[in-house]
Parts: sequence; C-alpha cells; structure tokens
Amino acid sequence: SSEVTQDPAVSVALGQTVRMTCQGGGLRTYSPGWYQQKPGQAPVLVIYNKNKRPSGIPDRFSGSSSGNTSSLTITGARAEDEADYYCNSRDSSGTVVFGGGTRLTVL
Amino acid sequence: EVRLVESGGGLVQPGGSLRLSCVASGFIFSNYWMHWVRQVPGKRPVWISRINSDGGITTYAESVRGRFTISRDNVKNTLYLQMNTLRPEDTAVYFCARDLRGGYIWDFWGQGTLVSASS
Repeated sequence: SSEVTQDPAVSVALGQTVRMTCQGGGLRTYSPGWYQQKPGQAPVLVIYNKNKRPSGIPDRFSGSSSGNTSSLTITGARAEDEADYYCNSRDSSGTVVFGGGTRLTVL
Repeated sequence: EVRLVESGGGLVQPGGSLRLSCVASGFIFSNYWMHWVRQVPGKRPVWISRINSDGGITTYAESVRGRFTISRDNVKNTLYLQMNTLRPEDTAVYFCARDLRGGYIWDFWGQGTLVSASS
C-alpha cells in the first residue's frame, strides 16, 4: 500500500514526552522524513534516516522504527513545538507520499 | 546560510501558464537534486517533481506529467517550474526544496509562492 497514516491530533503537557506515529507498508523499506510545520511557514526537517537530526534541531526530537511503523518522540515538549508534523516516505513503485499530518498541541 | 527563494506565483485563469523560479544560495547548487512540492493550506504537502544535479533526469507526479516541466540553470543557481494548462486543482503554495541525498527527503525548503488557478 502507498498510504501513510498518522494520528490527526495529539496533545502533551508542557515538559512532558509525546510520541506520534506514521504507518505504511513502504516504511518497511524506506525510512521516513519527519517535518515540523508552523502556520504560514515552510516545513522543517526534524528527523530522517530513522533517528538522525539535521543541524540545529534540538536533541529532544528523536525517531525510531519498527516494521511498518515509524515514530517521532519529543522529550520535554516546549511551547514552540506546537505545530503540524508530517512524515513522508515512498512505496515500492517509488511514489512519494506524505501522511495526513499530526497536529500537536502543547498544554 | 542556505536560502531558497521562490517567485513567479500569482492568479491565472484555468488553462493558463505560469513559470516559477527558485533562486538558491549558500550551497553548491549544482551538487544537489532539487524538487518542487506543493501544498493546499491546511492539507498535506504533495510532491510534484524532481530534477537531478545536472538537469539530465526529471521525474513527475502523475497529476502534473505532461503539463509541468522542471528545469534548472546551474550558472544562475536557479530552479524552474513551467506550468501549462493550469487547472483549479493546481491551486496551492509551491515550495522548492533541496534533496538531502537522493531519497526524497528534503533538508531545506523555500518560503513558498502561491499559485491560484481561478476564473
């Protein structure tokens, strides 16, 4: 399947840990990218290659994968982490797909 | 500092054409694959096209194949997207994005340019 699914919304108390997931058959082969997007801004890559962070991304962001599910974890969530988070991957035909996104609310 | 700056968006009637540009700076443009990704506000991003580092390989999403053409000028450090026969469903913010390492993961994005195909 080329579909990638994400939970529509999650919330976390300030300073607590939150995990969001991305599921799809292509994730068994292709490690996803995770992007943070705030209103009116471009997406920002926060995790790739399962658990690599681009330069400038805080280490409270981490990733993991198991089977057809990949996860993004924020440890010690801050107010500025409130955003939409998208994962993207590919299916076996090479079709690039994005998940529907998870809206993170920091309480 | 890596920068990608898009321009060329605007309002166009269905059936019309637009050419988007993306000027790159802060990195060796000719070393990277580049992409266009579009997004309707409030919806998920959608990949539409990519081009390899020397411009010899291009790939398109089914939704734009035959209507859109991606190209680049490595002397001017500029990526282009020629959009013909525009449809209302092409209305979106168009982002150019740098490919991290050939695997459809993008480590830098421009700020986007809005294209609206409407009568």
